[in-house]
Amino acid sequence: DGGITQSPKYLFRKEGQNVTLSCEQNLNHDAMYWYRQDPGQGLRLIYYSQIVNDFQKGDIAEGYSVSREKKESFPLTVTSAQKNPTAFYLCASSKNTEAFFGQGTRLTVV
Amino acid sequence: RKEVEQDPGPFNVPEGATVAFNCTYSNSASQSFFWYRQDCRKEPKLLMSVYSSGNEDGRFTAQLNRASQYISLLIRDSKLSDSATYLCVVINSGGGADGLTFGKGTHLIIQP
Repeated sequence: DGGITQSPKYLFRKEGQNVTLSCEQNLNHDAMYWYRQDPGQGLRLIYYSQIVNDFQKGDIAEGYSVSREKKESFPLTVTSAQKNPTAFYLCASSKNTEAFFGQGTRLTVV
Repeated sequence: RKEVEQDPGPFNVPEGATVAFNCTYSNSASQSFFWYRQDCRKEPKLLMSVYSSGNEDGRFTAQLNRASQYISLLIRDSKLSDSATYLCVVINSGGGADGLTFGKGTHLIIQP
């Protein structure tokens, strides 16, 4: 079955560490997105990519980086420059009339 | 940026009642429309797609009004398990940052 997979589900980061969240899809979707959600808040766009080897900053890109070397994969790195990284991170992909979400990664700084 | 607006609620509704909420969108070229349900600390899950002709799935009815640029969700005979946040999701044909756009969600609480 086609779908979008995020991993890990839970992630703990020490202060000053970089961590990478994985997002893989086998839906042949061109567009992929990363969002951050804080408790009681809506989804905020971090980065998006419309095609392989191209990506653009969203509303809250500072302290994050991404790559899109393959159509299927859009990993997000939370760098040490992100001062408040504890949040729920959601990956999504879309094409024309469908959108799919990953299961989410809950990142906690310890 | 293209906007999608929802009343955040919370909507406090007694079990068995009917509840309806709307979502407005600003991009007249928006292509596809959906209602997603998000439970606390979980990812959004597709509830139903929304079409101009309206569509119904059991107790849920969704409607698209392109002239007024809004979509609606009606829940009949509400159950305790319907308590969740309902997200309006819009796919825009232009792509880019607005390719996939969300409302902030409407929080629904069904009370016994």
